[in-house]
Amino acid sequence: DADVTQTPRNRITKTGKRIMLECSQTKGHDRMYWYRQDPGLGLRLIYYSFDVKDINKGEISDGYSVSRQAQAKFSLSLESAIPNQTALYFCATSDSSREVTDTQYFGPGTRLTVL
Amino acid sequence: DQQVKQNSPSLSVQEGRISILNCDYTNSMFDYFLWYKKYPAEGPTFLISISSIKDKNEDGRFTVFLNKSAKHLSLHIVPSQPGDSAVYFCAASAAGGTSYGKLTFGQGTILTVHP
Repeated sequence: DADVTQTPRNRITKTGKRIMLECSQTKGHDRMYWYRQDPGLGLRLIYYSFDVKDINKGEISDGYSVSRQAQAKFSLSLESAIPNQTALYFCATSDSSREVTDTQYFGPGTRLTVL
Repeated sequence: DQQVKQNSPSLSVQEGRISILNCDYTNSMFDYFLWYKKYPAEGPTFLISISSIKDKNEDGRFTVFLNKSAKHLSLHIVPSQPGDSAVYFCAASAAGGTSYGKLTFGQGTILTVHP
């Protein structure tokens, strides 16, 4: 079941490089999210989008940008990668048309290492 | 400001016994709570949820209890199985305010079930 896919799954890059992580979904959900996971800190929200024309900053948006190219696609960019952006990155989706809108469905994650 | 806290980083349980994972929250606006399970190299998967209008929700071996006055919830797994070994995240959302449409996650608890 690959309703939410993320590419690449693993990436090693150098400090200062621009990196793009991509997320695609076939669930037909309107809302999409980007999180990062660090040991001992859980998942923290980077950016979220409630529809194609709506982009919002999360709690840790500095150093990141996003683009919602279509309802099914939401990409995350690191403009100039730094070592403390080394983390697991997850994309998630949710459906505002459901009675319970807050259940989110996650992709498999991208492991990013910045040297 | 950690609004959702899981104070136990890890829990070890014998197969067949009960696993109890705990979660505390500070934001009184939170009205919907979820538990996610995460295996290595995979994204978090939704496990069970509870609305603030209830104090208990059960799904097979999994039961979530909510104590609103104490701002505390717990996940009970009975009986525990080795396949339950994973990281468990507690998450919360609010119907309005700045937390609308977003999930706030705890730090996670690593559950190990020994055969």
